[in-house]
Amino acid sequence: QPVLTQSSSASASLGSSVKLTCSLNGGHNTYIIAWHQQQPGKAPRYLMRLERSGSYRKGSEVPERFSGSTSGADRYLTISNLQSEDEADYYCETWDSDTQVFGGGTKLTVL
Amino acid sequence: EVQLVESGGGLVQPGGSLKLSCAASGFNFSGSTIHWVRQASGKGLEWVGRIRSRTYTYATAYPASVKGRFTISRDDSNNTAYLQMNSLKSEDTAVYYCRREGGLWGQGTLVTVSS
Repeated sequence: QPVLTQSSSASASLGSSVKLTCSLNGGHNTYIIAWHQQQPGKAPRYLMRLERSGSYRKGSEVPERFSGSTSGADRYLTISNLQSEDEADYYCETWDSDTQVFGGGTKLTVL
Repeated sequence: EVQLVESGGGLVQPGGSLKLSCAASGFNFSGSTIHWVRQASGKGLEWVGRIRSRTYTYATAYPASVKGRFTISRDDSNNTAYLQMNSLKSEDTAVYYCRREGGLWGQGTLVTVSS
């Protein structure tokens, strides 16, 4: 079964960029993942689907500031020109034939 | 409007049952796989199960934590998915979200299991 590992927290300054990491466990480094954002007190929101190749497809109305990339077993979410509303929890997700798995989430603080 | 709206949450005693609904609008519900995901207060997201479309024979899947207690079904004629929860435990207390595979989340409904 795939396992996703995320750092518990990250911080960056307003207007800067931040790169969040989601790592797949051994034997699963080819898996596609999805990124989700959850702002405080709100439901999660789908951001994008990110493939092993680094190719990604964003959900509707996701700002251009959000992008994805890949390196080996690591999947990244980069947010450029950070805004205050980007302060949120970010979850990665992957799936197998009969299971879905979420990472533990990264709490992003915008300074 | 493209949306998912959950309902049916509430307070239930341990060992009790509850059925949640997820009403869809604005997209091809019958062709979509629908997932249920829950989130206990202050915790992360936990997948609760999914149901595929008729094309995939409405196949369901569940994690070990709810298998045998929870059942997902759907009524494509009413664009609604359901989560039947039986033998509820205190650890099932959470906000329950439905989600369209590859995108849209609902706003969630709170289930509290307590005596």
